[in-house]
Amino acid sequence: DAGVTQSPTHLIKTRGQQVTLRCSPKSGHDTVSWYQQALGQGPQFIFQYYEEEERQRGNFPDRFSGHQFPNYSSELNVNALLLGDSALYLCASSGRGVVAKNIQYFGAGTRLSVL
Amino acid sequence: QKEVEQNSGPLSVPEGAIASLNCTYSDRGSQSFFWYRQYSGKSPELIMSIYSNGDKEDGRFTAQLNKASQYVSLLIRDSQPSDSATYLCAVRGIAGGTSYGKLTFGQGTILTVHP
Repeated sequence: DAGVTQSPTHLIKTRGQQVTLRCSPKSGHDTVSWYQQALGQGPQFIFQYYEEEERQRGNFPDRFSGHQFPNYSSELNVNALLLGDSALYLCASSGRGVVAKNIQYFGAGTRLSVL
Repeated sequence: QKEVEQNSGPLSVPEGAIASLNCTYSDRGSQSFFWYRQYSGKSPELIMSIYSNGDKEDGRFTAQLNKASQYVSLLIRDSQPSDSATYLCAVRGIAGGTSYGKLTFGQGTILTVHP
């Protein structure tokens, strides 16, 4: 049973560029959440996708956008990259039903460095 | 005031001792509480969830919740060097509320268990 998978593992970009990060949820899960974790900090919620729609959003600018596909996989897009966007980007998935939906399982993350 | 605050670290305990990790939260509507463990360079791993006041035990781990005091803690008994990691407290809001979907994390407490 594959867990949450993210790609790529590492990414180096320059300021002003655009980046796309990908996530496949755990088997049987239908909800995907994205978090940004700066060095030495706890993860910060970016947004959550369910039924191919953005259901909830954290305090992130519109440069951060996402998408969920019919197979429940998801993408996180960041435009006009800033140095401050350098962080570990984590994808978490949760399952169906009241109990399962409450638990989020994290992928290994994508380490983004903006130069 | 931060939404979720953890006791400042780092915390260092000898092998075999009890490690005590504390967390307070500001949203009285919070319903679900989680402890994640994060090894350096890795993703958060769920170790405990608690939803009701009182204690919940799982092996060497005990989570304690006091909603009146808006306080949640994690005790690790018989601490082992392999427990050395950053421990993240996370809180989830009430179903249907604006903070339901996301997890709000504290900044983390670094625990070191020395032989």
